[in-house]
Amino acid sequence: ILNVEQSPQSLHVQEGDSTNFTCSFPSSNFYALHWYRWETAKSPEALFVMTLNGDEKKKGRISATLNTKEGYSYLYIKGSQPEDSATYLCAFRGMNYGGATNKLIFGTGTLLAVQP
Amino acid sequence: GAGVSQSPRYKVAKRGQDVALRCDPISGHVSLFWYQQALGQGPEFLTYFQNEAQLDKSGLPSDRFFAERPEGSVSTLKIQRTQQEDSAVYLCASSFDPRSVNTIYFGEGSWLTVV
Repeated sequence: ILNVEQSPQSLHVQEGDSTNFTCSFPSSNFYALHWYRWETAKSPEALFVMTLNGDEKKKGRISATLNTKEGYSYLYIKGSQPEDSATYLCAFRGMNYGGATNKLIFGTGTLLAVQP
Repeated sequence: GAGVSQSPRYKVAKRGQDVALRCDPISGHVSLFWYQQALGQGPEFLTYFQNEAQLDKSGLPSDRFFAERPEGSVSTLKIQRTQQEDSAVYLCASSFDPRSVNTIYFGEGSWLTVV
């Protein structure tokens, strides 16, 4: 059974704080790692798709790193704002004998609350 | 619109009732996915279509769940004889090319409550 874990489960920070969370995934048969930001009653918003070990991607104040050899990814938010409050989900896409699988295996998410 | 569109947004069904959830993917997207998210969990894979072909239905929890995409665009997820454990958010997603790494775009979900 493939397991994707995220920590912490929830996080409360003050406006202006920088924060980071972790996604752990299987270190074998890796194809891609996706990060999503999900606000209640909206669609999950794609943040990053990461494929290469050592890769680092950035989008505004949000950045992510990837270590496929040890099976983890970090998401960083610099200078958190109240509008960053959301659930952040990571999802692992693996490989099998036929190539990349088609399903994403999600973690349970990190719920971020940013207090003004 | 330009995104993945799902309807209904919210559905309350009596136990035993059949429901149908609709997904309109982004135009031109070959791949279409259905996921189920129960309270406190991450989304879990249900089924995958490549055009009209249902290539993977390994995540469908029981034979009460059925999905189709007859013309390779709009998809319907049908749940027969709903049970309370079917209460969840049903997310539809689409992506352009299954052969490469792309962004997978999600709809807002259909929130199903079975009473």
